[in-house]
Amino acid sequence: EAGVVQSPRYKIIEKKQPVAFWCNPISGHNTLYWYRQNLGQGPELLIRYENEEAVDDSQLPKDRFSAERLKGVDSTLKIQPAELGDSAVYLCASSTVTEQFFGPGTRLTVL
Amino acid sequence: SQQGEEDPQALSIQEGENATMNCSYKTSINNLQWYRQNSGRGLVHLILIRSNEREKHSGRLRVTLDTSKKSSSLLITASRAADTASYFCATDHTGANSKLTFGKGITLSVRP
Repeated sequence: EAGVVQSPRYKIIEKKQPVAFWCNPISGHNTLYWYRQNLGQGPELLIRYENEEAVDDSQLPKDRFSAERLKGVDSTLKIQPAELGDSAVYLCASSTVTEQFFGPGTRLTVL
Repeated sequence: SQQGEEDPQALSIQEGENATMNCSYKTSINNLQWYRQNSGRGLVHLILIRSNEREKHSGRLRVTLDTSKKSSSLLITASRAADTASYFCATDHTGANSKLTFGKGITLSVRP
């Protein structure tokens, strides 16, 4: 069974540029998460989807971040414009009722 | 905000020794989970312990939970160099795995 797939794995951009991350969850998992993990920290939830509905986006900085999960399968997280402080690893996960499965993440560096 | 606090922040042991990592949290939970993260990789689920359980085993892993002290420990017995990773505890307050709150993690180094 394929795991959670994310792309790209690495992205380097200049500040004020836009950037997008893509995630394909494990087949059959209705719940999808986007996390941000800063260096030396644990993941922090940005947004959670149940199918195509964003049910928890309270931690998503909505002035510059947006996300979508069309058709309730894969998802895209976008930052526009990126700031220096957005440098982090962006993790996508999907879950069963007892376990979250994480993708390898996208390491974003904003210069 | 991060609810779980792991300690120590870093741990270095010799292969074959046991590694004990602790996690404390602030508010009541439905369950607590431990995850491992190898360098540059995503997190991997290790074990889940529910609030009505006190101890759980999985292979070389033993997890305990003390809800009165709001703390958990993860014991890795007979450690191997491949256990070198960061370990995170995550608390679930909803019971539906819908929102996990992760700690900052513990960096474990196992010397061969």
